[in-house]
Amino acid sequence: GAGVSQSPSNKVTEKGKDVELRCDPISGHTALYWYRQRLGQGLEFLIYFQGNSAPDKSGLPSDRFSAERTGESVSTLTIQRTQQEDSAVYLCASSLRNLKLSGANVLTFGAGSRLTVL
Amino acid sequence: QQQVKQSPQSLIVQKGGISIINCAYENTAFDYFPWYQQFPGKGPALLIAIRPDVSEKKEGRFTISFNKSAKQFSLHIMDSQPGDSATYFCAALGGGGNKLTFGTGTQLKVEL
Repeated sequence: GAGVSQSPSNKVTEKGKDVELRCDPISGHTALYWYRQRLGQGLEFLIYFQGNSAPDKSGLPSDRFSAERTGESVSTLTIQRTQQEDSAVYLCASSLRNLKLSGANVLTFGAGSRLTVL
Repeated sequence: QQQVKQSPQSLIVQKGGISIINCAYENTAFDYFPWYQQFPGKGPALLIAIRPDVSEKKEGRFTISFNKSAKQFSLHIMDSQPGDSATYFCAALGGGGNKLTFGTGTQLKVEL
């Protein structure tokens, strides 16, 4: 596709339920990032995938959070046993190559998935 | 630990005025400093970026000023327009990592 596509755009769930958020990166982009944006706050790094390398999971806030990516395509962020503090916009971004090689000018964000945990 | 500090949190500017947003960083290994613009309901989009080997970069009405010794950089929006009303994020890349570290954002409102 022309841009990074995320679904669902909005998700309302009850505390304790599991949720899955999906990201379709730009075709051919090898690097994929998940960020979390809480209301009135900056973007918080969650996880980074680069090709077939082991993902950088250093930003995942707890073991309730996990993410997968199949090759260089779709990624799914899963939040188990959701809590109210998980309410946020979850942003996915992709870039053609490793940011250190290509510069951040090719990091393209999706519109995000807004998660509300009641 | 907040590695990139951004201020102000919100800003109101009159049409035609200059909007100034400031950021400070701690990690001297950062070597790339982009600014992102985000409209409601949209993802952040790259606006302008600078590397520490230059002190200023200008693109149209947008200018980044960079002070390496003070570890500070700022975004100046000249002749601010209502269409510039958005949230602006500074960010930094480097230090051996492949991820951007973002500031907390500035909500800019340009009034007529």
